[in-house]
Amino acid sequence: DGGITQSPKYLFRKEGQNVTLSCEQNLNHDAMYWYRQDPGQGLRLIYYSQIVNDFQKGDIAEGYSVSREKKESFPLTVTSAQKNPTAFYLCASSINPGRTTEAFFGQGTRLTVV
Amino acid sequence: GESVGLHLPTLSVQEGDNSIINCAYSNSASDYFIWYKQESGKGPQFIIDIRSNMDKRQGQRVTVLLNKTVKHLSLQIAATQPGDSAVYPCRGAGSYQLTFGKGTKLSVIP
Repeated sequence: DGGITQSPKYLFRKEGQNVTLSCEQNLNHDAMYWYRQDPGQGLRLIYYSQIVNDFQKGDIAEGYSVSREKKESFPLTVTSAQKNPTAFYLCASSINPGRTTEAFFGQGTRLTVV
Repeated sequence: GESVGLHLPTLSVQEGDNSIINCAYSNSASDYFIWYKQESGKGPQFIIDIRSNMDKRQGQRVTVLLNKTVKHLSLQIAATQPGDSAVYPCRGAGSYQLTFGKGTKLSVIP
């Protein structure tokens, strides 16, 4: 089955540590995206990638980093510079960034800093 | 881009009534507008979309209306059911950033 997979579903991190969230898709989509969602709020764009080896900052990129070495993978690293990392993180992909209407979402990773 | 990162408005409706969910957008360059349904703890799922040259589109139990003059998008759900309880974010497509507008949290009262 084709889809987009995020792992792990729940993640705990100690303050001051970096942590990497996984996002993999086998849909052959060019574009991939990372969003953050806080309770009672909408989705905010962290980073996006239109093509392999290219990515751009979204609205709230500070404290985060990404890589896009392979088309199917777009991992997100939450660094110690992110002051309030506890949130629900969603990854999405779309066929191409400009023309497609539909984006497919993973089931999310809930990150808690302890 | 769209209005993002703001607290969501909430809507409570009685089971069986019709629901109208609104979304304001700021990016006039979008070619499409899309409604998603996001259940608690899950990723958003596509519901329906509408091209920017249309003002109405109907699906199964849902209708989307687009008013480009006032940059307003709405989603109508007929005969709302408890399973419709969710957050409904909207977004414009045709931009590279795929940013979301402010949706609504719908609660259905049995």
